[in-house]
Amino acid sequence: AQSVTQLDSQVPVFEEAPVELRCNYSSSVSVYLFWYVQYPNQGLQLLLKYLSGSTLVESINGFEAEFNKSQTSFHLRKPSVHISDTAEYFCAVSDRDDYKLSFGAGTTVTVRA
Amino acid sequence: NAGVTQTPKFRILKIGQSMTLQCTQDMNHNYMYWYRQDPGMGLKLIYYSVGAGITDKGEVPNGYNVSRSTTEDFPLRLELAAPSQTSVYFCASSYSRGRAPEQYFGPGTRLTVT
Repeated sequence: AQSVTQLDSQVPVFEEAPVELRCNYSSSVSVYLFWYVQYPNQGLQLLLKYLSGSTLVESINGFEAEFNKSQTSFHLRKPSVHISDTAEYFCAVSDRDDYKLSFGAGTTVTVRA
Repeated sequence: NAGVTQTPKFRILKIGQSMTLQCTQDMNHNYMYWYRQDPGMGLKLIYYSVGAGITDKGEVPNGYNVSRSTTEDFPLRLELAAPSQTSVYFCASSYSRGRAPEQYFGPGTRLTVT
């Protein structure tokens, strides 16, 4: 099974500032990569995914993530955050022949005015 | 289309009691999963199923049991509840291999064992 490391457990950020959440995984075998977002007292929602093709993937609400195979990383970025982006963010990885997900420990993003 | 639904939302159990967490999906997904979420630990896979009648252990199966008699339902059984099983439990589902791999999650069940 993959091991997933999210390098920051807490990220405070001011509104309209950029944010980057870092994610590294253990193996360079073919993988699927995901970022999920969890708002307070809710379930996990898929934010974006990398399956194949372009290494830069985007979400509908302005987040983007870049797959870097040589560094086994899938960092998440947003150039300008809103108060509503306050949530916990999870990086998850699965091997292509096994749909079971391995999750990072999560990064809590708190956006302040 | 309700997606993945879970009941109950909250439950308090005494040590040694048993209960079943219910999970239902209406997306005709073959694969279903149970996770537990503990603070600072991410989600850990308890059990999963690749189809009706087929289940297998995940990373943390001890103290739990599952069954999968239909495509839609995947209940999780806790026997002899222990304080270590205090957690938030999430059910998820996905298509089978060869199709879109992303998992869809239910809203969770918050369980406290005292």
